[in-house]
Amino acid sequence: GQQVMQIPQYQHVQEGEDFTTYCNSSTTLSNIQWYKQRPGGHPVFLIQLVKSGEVKKQKRLTFQFGEAKKNSSLHITATQTTDVGTYFCAANTGTASKLTFGTGTRLQVTL
Amino acid sequence: DAGVIQSPRHEVTEMGQEVTLRCKPISGHDYLFWYRQTMMRGLELLIYFNNNVPIDDSGMPEDRFSAKMPNASFSTLKIQPSEPRDSAVYFCASRAGPGYGYTFGSGTRLTVV
Repeated sequence: GQQVMQIPQYQHVQEGEDFTTYCNSSTTLSNIQWYKQRPGGHPVFLIQLVKSGEVKKQKRLTFQFGEAKKNSSLHITATQTTDVGTYFCAANTGTASKLTFGTGTRLQVTL
Repeated sequence: DAGVIQSPRHEVTEMGQEVTLRCKPISGHDYLFWYRQTMMRGLELLIYFNNNVPIDDSGMPEDRFSAKMPNASFSTLKIQPSEPRDSAVYFCASRAGPGYGYTFGSGTRLTVV
């Protein structure tokens, strides 16, 4: 089945540094969603991207969908300790209803 | 809205016992999903329902797992008999329709000893 790979698996940054996670698919995606899961918590929906080349911002977070709709990225500017968690991309596979989650990138931020 | 409600939050059971996990989706959401999360396998979709009807159960590991949705406000995931390898966090999620984000419950942490 379709797989959605994320890199890196883990990143440790100092507070104030930037962070980027990448999501890649072997097939063209109709859309992509991003979620954040705090340690011990549950995934929380952040955003959905639909259009080729789309860029959306939420405060310090910038989400991008590739021109070929096979990859996506999440960039955090000037990380804070509150950004700690695992970031997942997720894409529809097969039907429009079924999401396959990427492998996730765990972000650790230290002072 | 109270969000997606799952119970219990934690379950410890002995191998061979039956386990039932419960979920109340957000009112008005037509889709309900059951996911399992482990360190080794990440987030795996087990089964999902649309308007209370099971649509895709291809992720259910084996016959020991079953899920029901008798009405729009309640779903169960049952494991019988349970095995230690079933230990994981089980999440229920709902959404209003295709194109919407999922709202996850807080999960049930299952430990089978």
